[in-house]
Amino acid sequence: DQQVKQNSPSLSVQEGRISILNCDYTNSMFDYFLWYKKYPAEGPTFLISISSIKDKNEDGRFTVFLNKSAKHLSLHIVPSQPGDSAVYFCAASEIGNAGKSTFGDGTTLTVKP
Amino acid sequence: KAGVTQTPRYLIKTRGQQVTLSCSPISGHRSVSWYQQTPGQGLQFLFEYFSETQRNKGNFPGRFSGRQFSNSRSEMNVSTLELGDSALYLCASSTDGHSNQPQHFGDGTRLSIL
Repeated sequence: DQQVKQNSPSLSVQEGRISILNCDYTNSMFDYFLWYKKYPAEGPTFLISISSIKDKNEDGRFTVFLNKSAKHLSLHIVPSQPGDSAVYFCAASEIGNAGKSTFGDGTTLTVKP
Repeated sequence: KAGVTQTPRYLIKTRGQQVTLSCSPISGHRSVSWYQQTPGQGLQFLFEYFSETQRNKGNFPGRFSGRQFSNSRSEMNVSTLELGDSALYLCASSTDGHSNQPQHFGDGTRLSIL
């Protein structure tokens, strides 16, 4: 049973527009959620996170929204830039267990100039 | 601050052999986790080490093992390699693995089984 799901394998947007990446989870014990970005031949790099006590966290062009009742989170990138083209992974961990993250399968974002 | 270092970057082995992968965490980080990524898949958690003790374990067979040394460096071993073990193996470190903080990943070791 996949506890973290990213239902869109790919997303293509025009430069300057908004990119919205979605993630659903099933485990009610998850309390810390993260987004990582991955370029080919590199390891994932941390992008932004949110704890379950919040419903929004913003960092520059990146905003993460958490809807606990729907067990859904999303990442908004505004405005999108060609350099944002990468694979984005959603991840989650349980209380006090941040060293064990459960990842989604990733969404490949392509930002067209 | 130096990042997470994984060696080697690439490895080719044949079925039945064993392999050892190495990970040096960021200085001061005591939690080291290992993940497996296969094509088109997300990262699957293998195990986490903290203070030389395995603290968490994922759903992988006993052929996959690891250890952590007193300087927090970690090694992962896979015995009796199978074709399905071909994957990117990623190591990640964090300060303590307890508090809500992101993990920092190395660039991985790409293991190919022939």
